Amino acid sequence: NAGVMQNPRHLVRRRGQEARLRCSPMKGHSHVYWYRQLPEEGLKFMVYLQKENIIDESGMPKERFSAEFPKEGPSILRIQQVVRGDSAAYFCASSPAEYATNEKLFFGSGTQLSVL
Amino acid sequence: AQSVTQPDIHITVSEGASLELRCNYSYGATPYLFWYVQSPGQGLQLLLKYFSGDTLVQGIKGFEAEFKRSQSSFNLRKPSVHWSDAAEYFCAVGVGDYKLSFGAGTTVTVRA
Repeated sequence: NAGVMQNPRHLVRRRGQEARLRCSPMKGHSHVYWYRQLPEEGLKFMVYLQKENIIDESGMPKERFSAEFPKEGPSILRIQQVVRGDSAAYFCASSPAEYATNEKLFFGSGTQLSVL
Repeated sequence: AQSVTQPDIHITVSEGASLELRCNYSYGATPYLFWYVQSPGQGLQLLLKYFSGDTLVQGIKGFEAEFKRSQSSFNLRKPSVHWSDAAEYFCAVGVGDYKLSFGAGTTVTVRA
């Protein structure tokens, strides 16, 4: 039973390029959450999605960032026109289908984004 | 606003020695509290959690944590560390139904 899968593990982009981060939740999980960890800070909530719906994007920057969780395929966190301040570790978590909860979150290994 | 403070950025401990990691939180209501561990190249793994009841919580890998409301603390302990305990440890408080607010983490180095 595979855990939460994130890819790529490391992503290098130049300023102005686009970054796409992928997250496949655990089998049977339909709730996906994205967190960002800036250097020397704790993980910060970004967005919560269910299949084809954004439920809570209160932690997402208003510009350049978007997220989706289509009916088929992984969840995608997209960052357009990246800047150096976007360099961070991005973590995805999922929870079981019954409920959105912080009691049963399973985290992926994260994607380390480096912007040159 | 909810916040979590982990005062120690880095701790070095000898194998076989005891370990205590500090965590202080700020939260208006009775908190849900968590400790996660991240080993190199791995995802965050839940060590233990506190919701209510007994303030001493047992977790996996021989870890325990004690909730002290009067001190707003939830410190993590292990009586005897193993080299495999070298990792980064995160304390977190539950915010609402599904969010977590994390501390900045404590990196533990284990020396032989």
